[in-house]
Amino acid sequence: GEDVEQSLFLSVREGDSSVINCTYTDSSSTYLYWYKQEPGAGLQLLTYIFSNMDMKQDQRLTVLLNKKDKHLSLRIADTQTGDSAIYFCAEAPGGYNKLIFGAGTRLAVHP
Amino acid sequence: DAGITQSPRHKVTETGTPVTLRCHQTENHRYMYWYRQDPGHGLRLIHYSYGVKDTDKGEVSDGYSVSRSKTEDFLLTLESATSSQTSVYFCAINSGRSSTDTQYFGPGTRLTVL
Repeated sequence: GEDVEQSLFLSVREGDSSVINCTYTDSSSTYLYWYKQEPGAGLQLLTYIFSNMDMKQDQRLTVLLNKKDKHLSLRIADTQTGDSAIYFCAEAPGGYNKLIFGAGTRLAVHP
Repeated sequence: DAGITQSPRHKVTETGTPVTLRCHQTENHRYMYWYRQDPGHGLRLIHYSYGVKDTDKGEVSDGYSVSRSKTEDFLLTLESATSSQTSVYFCAINSGRSSTDTQYFGPGTRLTVL
């Protein structure tokens, strides 16, 4: 069945890089997504990658996709306290863009 | 926020009562979705709509129904609320007319069923 897995917690020091990992199961997904959720708020689309790409860079964010291993990662360079949030990866297999989410990785940034 | 509002933002209700949550969008998007968020599960799809009067079930549709009588409103109804439906509910829309366009989320409704 469809399943998206993420580690639940990551703690980093301010200024370091953060790497959040995700594995997915359905190779038919056209896009893979990263969303950010701050406390008490909705989900904010951070970035996405098309399935035929290996890497996408967007300012401090770098997404790497390994289709063979069905592994997706999000790297945040120069992590700031404002990056503290829950990060969700999601895939959209099949039609109608029905998203399947991982459980989310809580990123804690400390001084 | 892609012009998405949800109402109410918070609701406390009792087991067995009917509850309706409303999602409203201002940008005439075709595709709309209802998800629920629970600890340890991320978000899970309840129902979705691909046009007026066109809806279908998602992964966790039991106990829920939806209606879409006009483009801008997508209603989620719990006919007889249960404690297992205590959750945060998010509405989402697709940014364009294609089913592969990116998805944007509303602010959420926190529902507590006592």
